[in-house]
Amino acid sequence: EAQVTQNPRYLITVTGKKLTVTCSQNMNHEYMSWYRQDPGLGLRQIYYSMNVEVTDKGDVPEGYKVSRKEKRNFPLILESPSPNQTSLYFCASSSYRASYNEQFFGPGTRLTVL
Amino acid sequence: EDQVTQSPEALRLQEGESSSLNCSYTVSGLRGLFWYRQDPGKGPEFLFTLYSAGEEKEKERLKATLTKKESFLHITAPKPEDSATYLCAVNRDDKIIFGKGTRLHILP
Repeated sequence: EAQVTQNPRYLITVTGKKLTVTCSQNMNHEYMSWYRQDPGLGLRQIYYSMNVEVTDKGDVPEGYKVSRKEKRNFPLILESPSPNQTSLYFCASSSYRASYNEQFFGPGTRLTVL
Repeated sequence: EDQVTQSPEALRLQEGESSSLNCSYTVSGLRGLFWYRQDPGKGPEFLFTLYSAGEEKEKERLKATLTKKESFLHITAPKPEDSATYLCAVNRDDKIIFGKGTRLHILP
């Protein structure tokens, strides 16, 4: 089954404790992206990657890191989480053949930073 | 500044009552406008991509249209299962910008 998986689905942590949210896709997609979704602000792009070893900033990259060492994986790293990073996070992927527009989204990770 | 604005924020319709959702955009270097549906607690689900003014696409009770400044998502004779948040987004030089969405509620 074609899918984007994220882990963990739910995470409660404390300020300053480094964490990683994993994202994996099995569709051989070139483009992968991370978003955060907050009430009243909608979905905002954090980082995206056009292919292996190619990453770029979205609209809200501060406080986040990403890496793309393999085509299927695109982890999101919070080196020192803060309460304002409490949010619902989505990973997505798409194919170059669909001009990166038809994105497949993961189920989301709900993060709470205390 | 690049912007995507959706209206209305929320819409309640009776089953069978047709209506339209609006997405206006001010983006340079547009590489496509797309619509997604999002159900509570789930990731967005792709509906349509539109690339040029005048383009139209249909899927069941939904029809999306595009002009140079805005897009409309027309919902014909909606059913309660069409209740969801509908998101509009644009591809600006491979960055994706989403609107805040329209929450649609169809009453039986």
